[in-house]
Amino acid sequence: AQSVAQPEDQVNVAEGNPLTVKCTYSVSGNPYLFWYVQYPNRGLQFLLKYITGDNLVKGSYGFEAEFNKSQTSFHLKKPSALVSDSALYFCAVRDKGSGSARQLTFGSGTQLTVLP
Amino acid sequence: DAEITQSPRHKITETGRQVTLACHQTWNHNNMFWYRQDLGHGLRLIHYSYGVQDTNKGEVSDGYSVSRSNTEDLPLTLESAASSQTSVYFCASSESGGWTDTQYFGPGTRLTVL
Repeated sequence: AQSVAQPEDQVNVAEGNPLTVKCTYSVSGNPYLFWYVQYPNRGLQFLLKYITGDNLVKGSYGFEAEFNKSQTSFHLKKPSALVSDSALYFCAVRDKGSGSARQLTFGSGTQLTVLP
Repeated sequence: DAEITQSPRHKITETGRQVTLACHQTWNHNNMFWYRQDLGHGLRLIHYSYGVQDTNKGEVSDGYSVSRSNTEDLPLTLESAASSQTSVYFCASSESGGWTDTQYFGPGTRLTVL
């Protein structure tokens, strides 16, 4: 079965510093990986996804994520954090090898707080 | 602009009552999904549909039902609301249903069952 772990419930970073939100996954086949962001009282917004090819994926709002197959990780990064980046971030995976109905499995979320 | 809407945004109901949450999308997407969001659990899939008249159970489907009579709508019904169903509910839709498909989410409905 596919699964996603976000090991940090909370990440704090100072404005202007680089940020990293961690995600590790477990799949039986090839993973398709997604990052979403949720602002207070809003739905999830798509940030980026890894399908194949270049391990560094660039997405919306200056975010990027690095796929590392050997470490089964897909960490979200941004070179310089903004206060407006403060939100709840979700990693999600779809496992092509699972034989399942192509469902997305979400991590439990990481609350990012950028301090001014 | 195309969008996905949910109504109501907030609902308070009593144990045992039937409740229906609406989801409407104007993207003409074939695929629609219902999730619930609970602290510490992320999002968990309740039901999903890959087209009109198609419905499937997700990870946490007990006590919920859906029906798909047109492309735009996937209402979620709680047959007999329980306090354990207090949660935030999100509807999502996607175009192709393929492995690389991106899901787009509505604003959510906060349901409280007293």
